[in-house]
Amino acid sequence: KAGVTQTPRYLIKTRGQQVTLSCSPISGHRSVSWYQQTPGQGLQFLFEYFSETQRNKGNFPGRFSGRQFSNSRSEMNVSTLELGDSALYLCASSFHGRAAEEYFGPGTRLTVT
Amino acid sequence: QQQVKQSPQSLIVQKGGISIINCAYENTAFDYFPWYQQFPGKGPALLIAIRPDVSEKKEGRFTISFNKSAKQFSLHIMDSQPGDSATYFCAASIEDNFNKFYFGSGTKLNVKP
Repeated sequence: KAGVTQTPRYLIKTRGQQVTLSCSPISGHRSVSWYQQTPGQGLQFLFEYFSETQRNKGNFPGRFSGRQFSNSRSEMNVSTLELGDSALYLCASSFHGRAAEEYFGPGTRLTVT
Repeated sequence: QQQVKQSPQSLIVQKGGISIINCAYENTAFDYFPWYQQFPGKGPALLIAIRPDVSEKKEGRFTISFNKSAKQFSLHIMDSQPGDSATYFCAASIEDNFNKFYFGSGTKLNVKP
């Protein structure tokens, strides 16, 4: 069974630009969560989607948004990039969105210059 | 306010020794406490988890000890091996709260051969 896949794996953007990251969950999983990982702030929850609906979100500005498609694939978008957005963005999937079942992807390393 | 505090930040252990990582939490509503292992370039992988109705859970060389009254839990790695060298994160969540994990800051474990 294939794991969670994230594309691209690495990305370099310039301040002010926007970026879209993609996540394909494990087959059959309907919940997708996104996390930001930085050396200073650690792992922080961004949001969770289930059946195309956002059910929970963390404390991030509105520049961070996401969506989920009918095939459970998810994208997250960051607009007007800031230097502080440089991070590893992790996606995790599960069947129902219950914490016990979650599997993480390898992440997308975003560098903002 | 940091919901989950983790210590130590780094740990060096000799092969065959015991590695101990500690976490403390604030929110008594948390009902699921996982530990994740992360290797460089990879996403976190669930190692072992516990719910507050038990005080200890063991899986192979990995044991979680849980103290509900003190709001603390710890990971013990017995017979530590060089292959255990990784970063370990504790986390806490409310299991019905759609994967909104609160993570500790991480412990970088180095097991010397």
